[in-house]
Amino acid sequence: TQLLEQSPQFLSIQEGENLTVYCNSSSVFSSLQWYRQEPGEGPVLLVTVVTGGEVKKLKRLTFQFGDARKDSSLHITAAQPGDTGLYLCASRTDSWGKLQFGAGTQVVVTP
Amino acid sequence: EAQVTQNPRYLITVTGKKLTVTCSQNMNHEYMSWYRQDPGLGLRQIYYSMNVEVTDKGDVPEGYKVSRKEKRNFPLILESPSPNQTSLYFCASSLWGGGLAGNEQYFGPGTRLTVT
Repeated sequence: TQLLEQSPQFLSIQEGENLTVYCNSSSVFSSLQWYRQEPGEGPVLLVTVVTGGEVKKLKRLTFQFGDARKDSSLHITAAQPGDTGLYLCASRTDSWGKLQFGAGTQVVVTP
Repeated sequence: EAQVTQNPRYLITVTGKKLTVTCSQNMNHEYMSWYRQDPGLGLRQIYYSMNVEVTDKGDVPEGYKVSRKEKRNFPLILESPSPNQTSLYFCASSLWGGGLAGNEQYFGPGTRLTVT
């Protein structure tokens, strides 16, 4: 079973600072998704990366997919309090239908 | 409005009393799934359904049952709840259960279950 490891588990920063969270696996991802979850709500999809080496940008968020498709990162530039949330990566396992999530990185951005 | 709905949102029950959490989607999605979320463990998949004919176990199916009689509904059944099933539960749906590209998974608002 593919295991998705996210780091760090918790990140607290001041508004305006930059941050990076990571998602790693010992296995190759066919593709990978990043979600953000706010308190009291379900996760919401941010991006899907498919190709090794791919870089996607979503406003101040930059997503990278490793060349070997075994790791991914999410970088936030000039973080704002609205970026506060639990960031989760997810990927299919070896079976169609099964979706596995990492444990998540809790990001807190204080004004 | 495209959405996944779950009911109830909050439930406190006692050990052994059968309960059902309903899930419904209005997006004509083939794929539906149930997850539980516990602190430090992220989301763990309980059961999923590729379509109305195919349902299969996720990573933590013990103590749960599901049913997919109609495309839009996917209820989660706890026949004899135990305290270790106290958790936050999410239902989700997507177009299909294959590749992730172009296949966003939509989550319901969650059901917080406490079993005493």
